[in-house]
Amino acid sequence: QKEVEQNSGPLSVPEGAIASLNCTYSDRGSQSFFWYRQYSGKSPELIMFIYSNGDKEDGRFTAQLNKASQYVSLLIRDSQPSDSATYLCAVSDGNNRLAFGKGNQVVVIP
Amino acid sequence: NAGVMQNPRHLVRRRGQEARLRCSPMKGHSHVYWYRQLPEEGLKFMVYLQKENIIDESGMPKERFSAEFPKEGPSILRIQQVVRGDSAAYFCASSRNPGLGSYNEQFFGPGTRLTVL
Repeated sequence: QKEVEQNSGPLSVPEGAIASLNCTYSDRGSQSFFWYRQYSGKSPELIMFIYSNGDKEDGRFTAQLNKASQYVSLLIRDSQPSDSATYLCAVSDGNNRLAFGKGNQVVVIP
Repeated sequence: NAGVMQNPRHLVRRRGQEARLRCSPMKGHSHVYWYRQLPEEGLKFMVYLQKENIIDESGMPKERFSAEFPKEGPSILRIQQVVRGDSAAYFCASSRNPGLGSYNEQFFGPGTRLTVL
């Protein structure tokens, strides 16, 4: 069974600091990797996607992918209170199904 | 609003009734996906459809659940004879056709919160 693991517990970061989230996946055939942000009671919002090894930056967000080690990470620079949410890692195997991790809650402390 | 639309946003049903959830994809998108999020659990894939065709229903429960995406109109997720365990948030997502050279970035609708009494 394909698994996506987000093992870290809730993450508290001071405003302005860097939040770092990690995700590992079990299926070596995975091709596409996504980070979604989900506010409580709301739907997932796509914030980053990455397909190739290395780093991808978009504003304050950086996604990092290492296919050999089967992990993908998300860095949030200059964290803001509005970044407080649950972040979901999602992986696609090329059949367009997304497998999601259970999410990491981030709390940015003003 | 060019985003993914779902209705109703909240649906209350008694055990044994039927629930119909509707989803209209984002403009320009031809592929629809349904996911379920149970309380305290992650999002789980249910079914993947394009117009008049179910592409992958490997995540659908074998009984009581069905989905369609007709030539005209929204995609519908139908749950017959609902039970309390069906209470969850049901999200629809859409994407462009991955075969046209784009990857399958999926964008989610606001969801339907189903409560079974």
